[in-house]
Amino acid sequence: DAKTTQPNSMESNEEEPVHLPCNHSTISGTDYIHWYRQLPSQGPEYVIHGLTSNVNNRMASLAIAEDRKSSTLILHRATLRDAAVYYCIPDSFQKLVFGTGTRLLVSP
Amino acid sequence: EPEVTQTPSHQVTQMGQEVILRCVPISNHLYFYWYRQILGQKVEFLVSFYNNEISEKSEIFDDQFSVERPDGSNFTLKIRSTKLEDSAMYFCASSTVAGTDTQYFGPGTRLTVL
Repeated sequence: DAKTTQPNSMESNEEEPVHLPCNHSTISGTDYIHWYRQLPSQGPEYVIHGLTSNVNNRMASLAIAEDRKSSTLILHRATLRDAAVYYCIPDSFQKLVFGTGTRLLVSP
Repeated sequence: EPEVTQTPSHQVTQMGQEVILRCVPISNHLYFYWYRQILGQKVEFLVSFYNNEISEKSEIFDDQFSVERPDGSNFTLKIRSTKLEDSAMYFCASSTVAGTDTQYFGPGTRLTVL
């Protein structure tokens, strides 16, 4: 399984953009990058995924480096509800391998 | 919006007892998973299930654990003889296909073994 590195925690103010980085230098050429988050006392929740090009959905944007060794999850306007642990997870067929993720703190 | 449901939300049991955790995956999904999260630790994969058989399992998923899809809607995790270290949140998830497909998680069952 590809190894990932994420900062332990990040802080943001409400309504400001947040950029959550992830290094995945050992990812293979065909592995997607998935981002999930876990709100307090809840199960993990899908955020976004991508392979090579940048991706957007209603929750976030995902910017993938050209060499695919890193990616950045972008929350365009953080809300209090976005306070969660965010995980970047490379493909690992049949399962998600969670690391320790980045705990995002959002202040009003 | 369809969602994965789990029952019970909290289960308390004595060490050595059997427990069954229940999940109702999203109806058109074909792949089913169990994960667990010990308090303060990472979410860990236990097992994946497809076409009425286990397709992958982790080292954690030993002979004390079993999974079953007893009917068209439920997916269960059984722990035969619970240990103190089985205390954790157990999450069920489902997806339409494996690999890159999105997994949808339930709210979890908190298992407390005394």
